[in-house]
Amino acid sequence: GQQVMQIPQYQHVQEGEDFTTYCNSSTTLSNIQWYKQRPGGHPVFLIQLVKSGEVKKQKRLTFQFGEAKKNSSLHITATQTTDVGTYFCAGRSSGYSTLTFGKGTMLLVSP
Amino acid sequence: GAVVSQHPSWVICKSGTSVKIECRSLDFQATTMFWYRQFPKQSLMLMATSNEGSKATYEQGVEKDKFLINHASLTLSTLTVTSAHPEDSSFYICSARDREGGVYEQYFGPGTRLTVT
Repeated sequence: GQQVMQIPQYQHVQEGEDFTTYCNSSTTLSNIQWYKQRPGGHPVFLIQLVKSGEVKKQKRLTFQFGEAKKNSSLHITATQTTDVGTYFCAGRSSGYSTLTFGKGTMLLVSP
Repeated sequence: GAVVSQHPSWVICKSGTSVKIECRSLDFQATTMFWYRQFPKQSLMLMATSNEGSKATYEQGVEKDKFLINHASLTLSTLTVTSAHPEDSSFYICSARDREGGVYEQYFGPGTRLTVT
């Protein structure tokens, strides 16, 4: 079955440093989504990428979808303490298939 | 944006009892709802997919007789954990796919933390 791998599992940065999490799928994806889950909270949808090579930005967050549609990344520039949480990628092999979540990357930001 | 609610937000029950968790889409109709389970510091594991008016589709390894899912309307799905045991203690999260929206977005409920003593 489809597998989605995410690295690193955990990263601790100083406020102001950059952060990147990577997501790789064992199969070609129809689309990939990114979610953020704050400690004790539930996953909140951040963005969806559909096109090969797509790059989207949300303020300090940059999302990329690989040319082969098998990998993706989330980059945060100049992290802030409010960025703390676990970031999950979730891939879908076709339009109506279920989402397969990566294991998530837990980000801790020290002031 | 689309809102999904869950009730209760947390519950403590004794081993052997059953617990029902409700998932509601508040401002949209959801033909499909998903139930996930999340252990501490782990990812979301899909348990089952439920479509309104039909039987739920369970993922491999999930006991359908233990985790009863009912999707009676376009805005309500329930998960009943029957004869709960301490190993069922977990964070249960539902999500709903908007009937009218794009096929890609799922909206997550706030989750229900179940503790079985």
